[in-house]
Amino acid sequence: NAGVTQTPKFRILKIGQSMTLQCTQDMNHNYMYWYRQDPGMGLKLIYYSVGAGITDKGEVPNGYNVSRSTTEDFPLRLELAAPSQTSVYFCASSRRLNTEAFFGQGTRLTVV
Amino acid sequence: QKEVEQNSGPLSVPEGAIASLNCTYSDRVSQSFFWYRQYSGKSPELIMSIYSNGDKEDGRFTAQLNKASQYVSLLIRDSQPSDSATYLCAVNEDSGNTPLVFGKGTRLSVIA
Repeated sequence: NAGVTQTPKFRILKIGQSMTLQCTQDMNHNYMYWYRQDPGMGLKLIYYSVGAGITDKGEVPNGYNVSRSTTEDFPLRLELAAPSQTSVYFCASSRRLNTEAFFGQGTRLTVV
Repeated sequence: QKEVEQNSGPLSVPEGAIASLNCTYSDRVSQSFFWYRQYSGKSPELIMSIYSNGDKEDGRFTAQLNKASQYVSLLIRDSQPSDSATYLCAVNEDSGNTPLVFGKGTRLSVIA
């Protein structure tokens, strides 16, 4: 049972480059999330989705875009990478908004 | 943005002792509360969920919720070195209509 799978695990980007962080889940969860975690900080919500075709901004959406074309996949797009986007990114999913979220293994992104 | 507050620690306890981790939240209508454990370099994993006032026990872990005082705590009995990790408190605010809000976490160190 794979749960939530993120790729890649590590990535180094140059300033101004773009990339997509992939996330897929096999639990048939409607709700999916992208969080970022900076050293010594908690998880900050970037975007979330309540189902295919529906996305909404979280606390720190600037510089990111998302799409949700299927229940399983929720990719996160960085268009113009900036050093401030150096962080660990976690994708998560849940059955409902008020139930526990299950996390992927994370993507460690460095922008230089 | 509602707040979820945790003491960042580190909290150091000797092996075999009880570790007590606390979390306060600002949204009075919060209904779902979760404790996650995060080892260094890993993703958060769910330890406990609690929805009603009082205590909930699961093995060596006990979650305590007091909605009137707006705090939730996690007790770890017979602490082991393997319990050394960061513990994240997560709260589902706004009557369950928004995603989980995470505290910054408390770093626990169990000394053998």
